Amino acid sequence: GAGVSQSPSNKVTEKGKDVELRCDPISGHTALYWYRQSLGQGLEFLIYFQGNSAPDKSGLPSDRFSAERTGGSVSTLTIQRTQQEDSAVYLCASSFYMNTEAFFGQGTRLTVV
Amino acid sequence: AQTVTQSQPEMSVQEAETVTLSCTYDTSESNYYLFWYKQPPSRQMILVIRQEAYKQQNATENRFSVNFQKAAKSFSLKISDSQLGDTAMYFCAFMKLSNSGGSNYKLTFGKGTLLTVNP
Repeated sequence: GAGVSQSPSNKVTEKGKDVELRCDPISGHTALYWYRQSLGQGLEFLIYFQGNSAPDKSGLPSDRFSAERTGGSVSTLTIQRTQQEDSAVYLCASSFYMNTEAFFGQGTRLTVV
Repeated sequence: AQTVTQSQPEMSVQEAETVTLSCTYDTSESNYYLFWYKQPPSRQMILVIRQEAYKQQNATENRFSVNFQKAAKSFSLKISDSQLGDTAMYFCAFMKLSNSGGSNYKLTFGKGTLLTVNP
């Protein structure tokens, strides 16, 4: 596609439910990143994919968070048993391997009630 | 670990005037990139300007320029002839370059400066 696409744009879920957030990167981009943007915390790195593998998962805040990438393309970030502190905007970005510019999607605003 | 500090949570400027946003960072790395990203209300982060640490010349993109002081670990953004469309959150970000040569790795962001351009 022309840009990084994220879905849904907004998600309201009940505490304790599982959610899946989707990221469709720019075609041909081998690197994919997930960031979380919350009030008071700024932008936090969550996980980085190179192809289908994740060399760096250091930013995932707990074992309730997981992510996968298939076919070197679409990525899904899954949050199990959501908590209110998970409420944030989740941003996805992609970049071409040898290019430093990361292109961001518009994010998914997750609200846990 | 790297840290990025933006000491101005909010700033405002009159249309057509010039404004400078501050950013300092802390790192022991010698090889890295610095970025300024803009985030309008649409939430999409847009790259404004990039500076390679090994370059002494300050980067410039149209009305946007940086003052990169490597020894002082300072990376300020100057916006000239401010326009109403420049109203947004501005984030300073740091990226360490990997040893393998591929530089696609995580960005460390400051907490942002909310810039408002007034008519």
